[in-house]
Amino acid sequence: IQLTQSPSSLSASVGDRVTITCRASHGISTSLAWYQQKPGKAPTLLIFAASTLQGGVPSRFSGSGSGTDFTLTIGSLQPEDFATYYCQQLNSYPSTFGQGTRLEIK
Amino acid sequence: EVQVAESGGDLVQPGGSLRLSCAVSGFTFRSYAMSWFRQAPGRGLEWVSAIGTAGTTDTFYADSVKGRFTISRDNSRNTLYLQMNNLRAEDTAIYYCARGGIRLGWFDPWGQGTLVTVSS
Repeated sequence: IQLTQSPSSLSASVGDRVTITCRASHGISTSLAWYQQKPGKAPTLLIFAASTLQGGVPSRFSGSGSGTDFTLTIGSLQPEDFATYYCQQLNSYPSTFGQGTRLEIK
Repeated sequence: EVQVAESGGDLVQPGGSLRLSCAVSGFTFRSYAMSWFRQAPGRGLEWVSAIGTAGTTDTFYADSVKGRFTISRDNSRNTLYLQMNNLRAEDTAIYYCARGGIRLGWFDPWGQGTLVTVSS
């Protein structure tokens, strides 16, 4: 199952609302997770089951979608949110990732 | 606190072998599936291999490593392993382990990673 993220990069300002999309080549129900990765660090889980917020993750992060189309929304960007974001499908092995979206400060 | 920590990365020649370890703490290791991932320099994330909970024989591999890598676990030592044989230059990456699997629907937490460099 291939995942296509868009955009591949995004420039935004603190306080902006941003949306990242992830499209699956086949339907995966809600078997999708989102991760944040900062330079030189391991990925951290933000959202699983398409819309369930992982404990400790700020409520400005939200996810939605099912089937083939998914979105990650950050309600009001904070300085610590500038990072790369990946979607991952967990419908079946091999589990696959989108190519990533690099979120940069404008 | 739930923690996972990889070790064993090194510089190895093409065709060589290496075994990575992932020590875990803070949770009942035998009750969780585990996976290995990797990230080549400047590239995205790639799932490598997964193993089911203790008592199962479920193992899964990416096509890119099938037949060369073997995942295993020692529940008495709370440790996950990845035996890597016949290494290639394209296996050069940071290798991460993580708790979880597709039945859970998540992988968390991830370790800090260990660097494997395949070069002559």
